[in-house]
Amino acid sequence: GENVEQHPSTLSVQEGDSAVIKCTYSDSASNYFPWYKQELGKRPQLIIDIRSNVGEKKDQRIAVTLNKTAKHFSLHITETQPEDSAVYFCAARQNMEYGNKLVFGAGTILRVKS
Amino acid sequence: ETGVTQTPRHLVMGMTNKKSLKCEQHLGHNAMYWYKQSAKKPLELMFVYSLEERVENNSVPSRFSPECPNSSHLFLHLHTLQPEDSALYLCASSQDYFGEQYFGPGTRLTVT
Repeated sequence: GENVEQHPSTLSVQEGDSAVIKCTYSDSASNYFPWYKQELGKRPQLIIDIRSNVGEKKDQRIAVTLNKTAKHFSLHITETQPEDSAVYFCAARQNMEYGNKLVFGAGTILRVKS
Repeated sequence: ETGVTQTPRHLVMGMTNKKSLKCEQHLGHNAMYWYKQSAKKPLELMFVYSLEERVENNSVPSRFSPECPNSSHLFLHLHTLQPEDSALYLCASSQDYFGEQYFGPGTRLTVT
Protein backbone atom coordinates (compact mmCIF):
# COMPACT_ATOMS: atom_id res chain seq x y z
CA GLY A 1 0.00 0.00 0.00
CA GLU A 2 0.86 3.67 -0.07
CA ASN A 3 3.39 5.13 2.39
CA VAL A 4 3.91 8.87 2.86
CA GLU A 5 6.98 10.36 4.54
CA GLN A 6 6.95 14.02 5.59
CA HIS A 7 9.88 16.28 6.54
CA PRO A 8 10.77 18.14 8.62
CA SER A 9 8.74 17.25 11.69
CA THR A 10 9.19 20.77 13.06
CA LEU A 11 10.11 23.99 11.29
CA SER A 12 10.74 27.42 12.77
CA VAL A 13 11.01 30.46 10.52
CA GLN A 14 11.16 34.19 11.01
CA GLU A 15 8.10 36.17 9.98
CA GLY A 16 8.43 37.14 6.34
CA ASP A 17 10.68 34.22 5.44
CA SER A 18 9.63 31.27 3.30
CA ALA A 19 8.81 27.78 4.59
CA VAL A 20 9.10 24.54 2.64
CA ILE A 21 7.70 21.17 3.68
CA LYS A 22 8.46 18.05 1.67
CA CYS A 23 6.67 14.73 1.28
CA THR A 24 7.56 11.56 -0.56
CA TYR A 25 5.18 8.79 -1.53
CA SER A 26 5.67 5.19 -2.54
CA ASP A 27 2.79 4.30 -4.87
CA SER A 28 3.50 5.60 -8.36
CA ALA A 29 -0.20 5.23 -9.18
CA SER A 30 -1.21 7.87 -6.60
CA ASN A 31 -2.80 10.78 -8.42
CA TYR A 32 -4.06 13.34 -5.91
CA PHE A 33 -2.06 15.16 -3.24
CA PRO A 34 -3.81 17.49 -0.77
CA TRP A 35 -2.29 19.57 1.99
CA TYR A 36 -4.15 20.20 5.23
CA LYS A 37 -3.52 22.83 7.90
CA GLN A 38 -4.53 22.11 11.49
CA GLU A 39 -4.38 24.89 14.02
CA LEU A 40 -4.16 24.00 17.70
CA GLY A 41 -7.43 22.49 18.88
CA LYS A 42 -9.08 22.84 15.48
CA ARG A 43 -10.01 20.58 12.60
CA PRO A 44 -7.73 19.90 9.63
CA GLN A 45 -8.60 22.19 6.72
CA LEU A 46 -7.64 21.74 3.10
CA ILE A 47 -5.41 24.59 1.97
CA ILE A 48 -4.25 23.44 -1.44
CA ASP A 49 -4.14 20.29 -3.53
CA ILE A 50 -2.56 19.11 -6.75
CA ARG A 51 -3.38 16.36 -9.21
CA SER A 52 -0.84 14.26 -11.02
CA ASN A 53 -1.42 15.89 -14.40
CA VAL A 54 0.18 19.20 -13.29
CA GLY A 55 3.57 20.06 -11.83
CA GLU A 56 2.77 23.19 -9.85
CA LYS A 57 -0.17 25.06 -8.41
CA LYS A 58 -0.26 28.42 -6.64
CA ASP A 59 -2.80 30.16 -4.46
CA GLN A 60 -1.59 33.56 -3.23
CA ARG A 61 1.25 32.86 -0.75
CA ILE A 62 0.92 29.09 -0.98
CA ALA A 63 2.23 26.83 -3.72
CA VAL A 64 2.61 23.10 -4.19
CA THR A 65 5.03 21.38 -6.57
CA LEU A 66 4.90 17.77 -7.70
CA ASN A 67 7.68 15.64 -9.13
CA LYS A 68 6.07 12.41 -10.30
CA THR A 69 9.34 10.86 -11.41
CA ALA A 70 10.92 11.28 -8.01
CA LYS A 71 7.58 10.71 -6.24
CA HIS A 72 7.76 13.77 -4.06
CA PHE A 73 5.73 16.91 -3.59
CA SER A 74 6.33 20.05 -1.57
CA LEU A 75 4.41 22.86 0.07
CA HIS A 76 5.87 26.34 -0.21
CA ILE A 77 4.66 29.22 1.93
CA THR A 78 6.09 32.65 1.13
CA GLU A 79 6.08 35.79 3.29
CA THR A 80 5.11 33.76 6.34
CA GLN A 81 2.91 35.33 9.01
CA PRO A 82 2.28 34.34 12.64
CA GLU A 83 -1.15 33.00 11.67
CA ASP A 84 0.59 30.45 9.46
CA SER A 85 1.75 28.69 12.64
CA ALA A 86 0.02 25.30 12.69
CA VAL A 87 0.55 21.63 11.91
CA TYR A 88 0.62 20.86 8.20
CA PHE A 89 -0.21 17.42 6.83
CA CYS A 90 0.42 16.13 3.36
CA ALA A 91 -1.50 13.20 1.92
CA ALA A 92 -1.53 11.00 -1.15
CA ARG A 93 -4.51 9.28 -2.63
CA GLN A 94 -4.01 5.75 -3.76
CA ASN A 95 -4.96 4.38 -7.12
CA MET A 96 -8.49 5.34 -8.27
CA GLU A 97 -9.52 1.71 -7.81
CA TYR A 98 -9.36 2.40 -4.10
CA GLY A 99 -11.47 5.51 -4.30
CA ASN A 100 -10.76 8.26 -1.85
CA LYS A 101 -8.38 6.53 0.53
CA LEU A 102 -5.95 9.20 1.67
CA VAL A 103 -2.69 8.20 3.31
CA PHE A 104 -1.32 11.01 5.48
CA GLY A 105 2.16 12.07 6.43
CA ALA A 106 3.02 12.45 10.10
CA GLY A 107 2.73 16.23 10.04
CA THR A 108 5.04 19.25 10.32
CA ILE A 109 4.74 21.74 13.16
CA LEU A 110 5.42 25.16 11.66
CA ARG A 111 6.26 28.02 14.01
CA VAL A 112 6.48 31.52 12.62
CA LYS A 113 8.37 33.83 14.96
CA SER A 114 7.52 37.51 14.93
CA GLU B 1 -23.76 24.95 12.76
CA THR B 2 -22.86 24.25 9.16
CA GLY B 3 -20.36 21.80 7.69
CA VAL B 4 -19.40 18.75 9.67
CA THR B 5 -20.26 18.56 13.37
CA GLN B 6 -19.24 16.04 15.99
CA THR B 7 -20.53 15.27 19.46
CA PRO B 8 -19.39 15.06 22.12
CA ARG B 9 -16.28 17.20 21.76
CA HIS B 10 -14.67 15.57 24.80
CA LEU B 11 -15.27 12.15 26.31
CA VAL B 12 -13.70 10.35 29.25
CA MET B 13 -14.64 6.72 29.64
CA GLY B 14 -13.56 3.70 31.61
CA MET B 15 -12.44 0.52 29.93
CA THR B 16 -15.71 -1.24 30.69
CA ASN B 17 -18.00 1.53 29.44
CA LYS B 18 -19.98 1.68 26.23
CA LYS B 19 -20.27 5.03 24.47
CA SER B 20 -20.97 6.37 21.00
CA LEU B 21 -19.49 9.20 18.96
CA LYS B 22 -21.75 11.05 16.57
CA CYS B 23 -20.96 12.85 13.34
CA GLU B 24 -23.37 14.85 11.23
CA GLN B 25 -22.70 16.57 7.93
CA HIS B 26 -24.84 19.37 6.51
CA LEU B 27 -23.14 19.49 3.11
CA GLY B 28 -25.23 17.01 1.14
CA HIS B 29 -22.26 14.69 0.82
CA ASN B 30 -22.49 10.98 0.09
CA ALA B 31 -19.30 9.67 1.68
CA MET B 32 -18.24 9.79 5.33
CA TYR B 33 -15.06 8.76 7.12
CA TRP B 34 -13.71 8.05 10.60
CA TYR B 35 -10.06 8.87 11.34
CA LYS B 36 -7.97 8.41 14.47
CA GLN B 37 -5.39 11.08 15.29
CA SER B 38 -2.81 10.13 17.92
CA ALA B 39 0.07 12.28 19.08
CA LYS B 40 3.07 12.21 16.75
CA LYS B 41 1.43 9.74 14.35
CA PRO B 42 -0.19 10.24 10.95
CA LEU B 43 -3.93 10.47 10.66
CA GLU B 44 -5.19 6.88 10.44
CA LEU B 45 -8.21 6.05 8.33
CA MET B 46 -10.53 3.71 10.23
CA PHE B 47 -13.74 3.40 8.22
CA VAL B 48 -15.27 4.74 5.03
CA TYR B 49 -18.93 4.77 4.07
CA SER B 50 -20.12 5.63 0.59
CA LEU B 51 -23.88 5.88 -0.03
CA GLU B 52 -24.39 4.37 3.43
CA GLU B 53 -22.39 1.24 2.62
CA ARG B 54 -19.09 0.48 4.29
CA VAL B 55 -16.37 0.42 1.63
CA GLU B 56 -13.24 0.46 3.79
CA ASN B 57 -12.36 -1.12 7.09
CA ASN B 58 -8.69 -0.65 7.85
CA SER B 59 -8.10 -3.60 10.20
CA VAL B 60 -9.72 -1.78 13.09
CA PRO B 61 -10.31 -3.77 16.32
CA SER B 62 -13.87 -4.95 16.84
CA ARG B 63 -14.21 -2.80 19.96
CA PHE B 64 -14.85 0.01 17.44
CA SER B 65 -18.13 -0.46 15.58
CA PRO B 66 -19.31 2.07 12.95
CA GLU B 67 -22.88 2.75 11.92
CA CYS B 68 -24.16 4.88 9.06
CA PRO B 69 -27.97 5.04 9.18
CA ASN B 70 -28.18 7.64 6.39
CA SER B 71 -25.86 9.78 4.31
CA SER B 72 -25.89 12.63 6.85
CA HIS B 73 -25.07 10.71 10.01
CA LEU B 74 -22.20 8.52 11.10
CA PHE B 75 -21.67 6.89 14.48
CA LEU B 76 -18.73 5.17 16.12
CA HIS B 77 -19.79 2.80 18.89
CA LEU B 78 -17.14 2.11 21.50
CA HIS B 79 -16.93 -0.72 24.02
CA THR B 80 -14.26 -2.22 26.24
CA LEU B 81 -11.64 0.22 24.98
CA GLN B 82 -7.98 0.27 26.01
CA PRO B 83 -5.94 3.25 27.26
CA GLU B 84 -4.03 3.26 23.95
CA ASP B 85 -7.31 4.09 22.21
CA SER B 86 -7.14 7.56 23.73
CA ALA B 87 -6.90 9.96 20.78
CA LEU B 88 -8.71 12.58 18.75
CA TYR B 89 -11.35 10.94 16.56
CA LEU B 90 -12.12 12.92 13.44
CA CYS B 91 -15.04 12.55 11.12
CA ALA B 92 -14.89 13.74 7.52
CA SER B 93 -17.22 13.82 4.55
CA SER B 94 -16.87 14.28 0.81
CA GLN B 95 -19.26 14.87 -2.08
CA ASP B 96 -18.60 11.40 -3.36
CA TYR B 97 -16.04 8.69 -2.87
CA PHE B 98 -13.46 10.67 -4.86
CA GLY B 99 -14.12 14.18 -3.62
CA GLU B 100 -12.31 16.61 -1.35
CA GLN B 101 -12.71 15.71 2.31
CA TYR B 102 -14.04 18.14 4.90
CA PHE B 103 -13.26 17.41 8.53
CA GLY B 104 -15.30 17.83 11.68
CA PRO B 105 -13.81 19.34 14.86
CA GLY B 106 -13.14 15.94 16.39
CA THR B 107 -13.92 14.19 19.67
CA ARG B 108 -11.08 14.08 22.21
CA LEU B 109 -11.38 10.63 23.79
CA THR B 110 -9.62 9.64 26.99
CA VAL B 111 -9.83 6.03 28.17
CA THR B 112 -9.02 5.57 31.85
